[in-house]
Amino acid sequence: GNSVTQMEGPVTLSEEAFLTINCTYTATGYPSLFWYVQYPGEGLQLLLKATKADDKGSNKGFEATYRKETTSFHLEKGSVQVSDSAVYFCALSEGQAGTALIFGKGTTLSVSS
Amino acid sequence: DAGVTQSPTHLIKTRGQQVTLRCSPKSGHDTVSWYQQALGQGPQFIFQYYEEEERQRGNFPDRFSGHQFPNYSSELNVNALLLGDSALYLCASSSLGSSPLHFGNGTRLTVT
Repeated sequence: GNSVTQMEGPVTLSEEAFLTINCTYTATGYPSLFWYVQYPGEGLQLLLKATKADDKGSNKGFEATYRKETTSFHLEKGSVQVSDSAVYFCALSEGQAGTALIFGKGTTLSVSS
Repeated sequence: DAGVTQSPTHLIKTRGQQVTLRCSPKSGHDTVSWYQQALGQGPQFIFQYYEEEERQRGNFPDRFSGHQFPNYSSELNVNALLLGDSALYLCASSSLGSSPLHFGNGTRLTVT
């Protein structure tokens, strides 16, 4: 079945450090890929998405490229801030847009000043 | 413009009881999905409603049921609660055939 695997956390960084959170997926077709972020006490917010191979999603300095050959969608940011501290979830959706999302287990990021 | 709203925010129930959670979708959205997020885990899809019918269902037992009303709002019902049902229950809305999902802040259910 379809699945998403994320690197385990927590990830602890100093402000302005480079961030990579690895995400790989297994899917039978051509899924859309997403990164969601969850701040403490809140629901999930869409951070970025990509719907086909080689697409790059970007938002708020975060980027991720849909790599079909490696079935990956790694999240990167060049310079993290304390306000980026949150839990990050990689997810996929296969079929018609808006259908069920399959999430990874999440990666906790903690940024210190 | 209000986003997805869920009520209540917190709930404590006893094993064997029944619970109803409520969700109002974002304005303009007609599809509601429910997810269960256990502590330290990613959300898991429960089911999705459109036009007052269940369109898609995840791997959850029949104790989990739902309803969608003509105004697109939705309820999630869980019968015969188990300790393992303790989780954050997230509602998400969208327009059918489009993404992304917009999530509410969730209802934290504790079963004792």
